[in-house]
Amino acid sequence: GQNIDQPTEMTATEGAIVQINCTYQTSGFNGLFWYQQHAGEAPTFLSYNVLDGLEEKGRFSSFLSRSKGYSYLLLKELQMKDSASYLCAVRALLTGTASKLTFGTGTRLQVTL
Amino acid sequence: DAGVTQSPTHLIKTRGQQVTLRCSPKSGHDTVSWYQQALGQGPQFIFQYYEEEERQRGNFPDRFSGHQFPNYSSELNVNALLLGDSALYLCASTPYRQGVVEQFFGPGTRLTVL
Repeated sequence: GQNIDQPTEMTATEGAIVQINCTYQTSGFNGLFWYQQHAGEAPTFLSYNVLDGLEEKGRFSSFLSRSKGYSYLLLKELQMKDSASYLCAVRALLTGTASKLTFGTGTRLQVTL
Repeated sequence: DAGVTQSPTHLIKTRGQQVTLRCSPKSGHDTVSWYQQALGQGPQFIFQYYEEEERQRGNFPDRFSGHQFPNYSSELNVNALLLGDSALYLCASTPYRQGVVEQFFGPGTRLTVL
């Protein structure tokens, strides 16, 4: 089985940096995803890590440590539009199929002035 | 290029009824996965279809069933609806081949069971 933990809520100030942590326990691992989800909308893909290290994409970066079962999403230069839920998801190690994702409960980020 | 589309957008049913939700995958995608997202929770995997067969299934009862058509579109059927089935139902598509990373999500169907 898989278990994914992330904080329920976070608050940060516009222009600041925020780090959203995710820890996971899984019987098989084939990548970790971060999705952004605005209220009432579909999740949109932010990042993917399958090897240890940092992946940077503009204002967003994601880090993975497979030995620690740990990832974080780093958001820089926060903007009001970044207020959303951030979902950590782990892809199971399956053969012969496309992705099956197991999601955490999501971290609701509120960006304030 | 149209993304993943779902219909209807919203649906209200009463307990015991049956519902069918529909999904058309992104162009070029042949694998469809369905997720249930309760309010304040992350999406939960229901099942995945490829080549018109159910390939993987999450921890959902047999009341939840699906189908995939030759054009890769898919339906999710839920029988004997319960209040707890109220949720956002998300469809995600991806190409089958290994190494493709991203799942593309549709806008979802908001199901309310009264």
